[in-house]
Amino acid sequence: GAVVSQHPSRVICKSGTSVKIECRSLDFQATTMFWYRQFPKQSLMLMATSNEGSKATYEQGVEKDKFLINHASLTLSTLTVTSAHPEDSSFYICSAREAGGQRNEQFFGPGTRLTVL
Amino acid sequence: GDSVTQMEGPVTLSEEAFLTINCTYTATGYPSLFWYVQYPGEGLQLLLKATKADDKGSNKGFEATYRKETTSFHLEKGSVQVSDSAVYFCALSDRAQGGSEKLVFGKGTKLTVNP
Repeated sequence: GAVVSQHPSRVICKSGTSVKIECRSLDFQATTMFWYRQFPKQSLMLMATSNEGSKATYEQGVEKDKFLINHASLTLSTLTVTSAHPEDSSFYICSAREAGGQRNEQFFGPGTRLTVL
Repeated sequence: GDSVTQMEGPVTLSEEAFLTINCTYTATGYPSLFWYVQYPGEGLQLLLKATKADDKGSNKGFEATYRKETTSFHLEKGSVQVSDSAVYFCALSDRAQGGSEKLVFGKGTKLTVNP
């Protein structure tokens, strides 16, 4: 149980294009999903927290107009990197917290490797 | 703000060796502490956790004790296996942060176990 998937696992795009990454909770309902960014040999940095049906809460320094988050259902959240540039190349990871589950337990997806040329 | 500091890697050990990965934290409230493991090509998995001082989390032969006096949560295993090769992340979740329960991660420690 408690499986989270991400799609795609890898994406390569040209500079200036937009890329959408999906995060799905496969066997549970997730009221809250989190988006992280992981640089090589660095920690995971929380980008934003999204709650189903409401606007995402972004961490300081994260551009909300560049990283669009939509949490339209209890099993799906999407992250769209708009007008991507090479500096946006990174490993993006989502996690989900189960509705009614423990507040401090998150289940992580396998991540999406984004490369912007 | 809250932070987690874990020992720099990479760590390379022979099979059956003893493992310690140090982790210390700073927090304004009463955090829960976690160790996550990331195997190659996979997402993070919760390895163990402790929610209050003196609690010991354990799983798959790994242990970590929540030490409030030293603000530490060191990960240990008595005899590592090749299959333990992965990146290990120490993390905290601070209940004082308005209930948001955000996870704050250390930088990760890569462990390689050789046969």
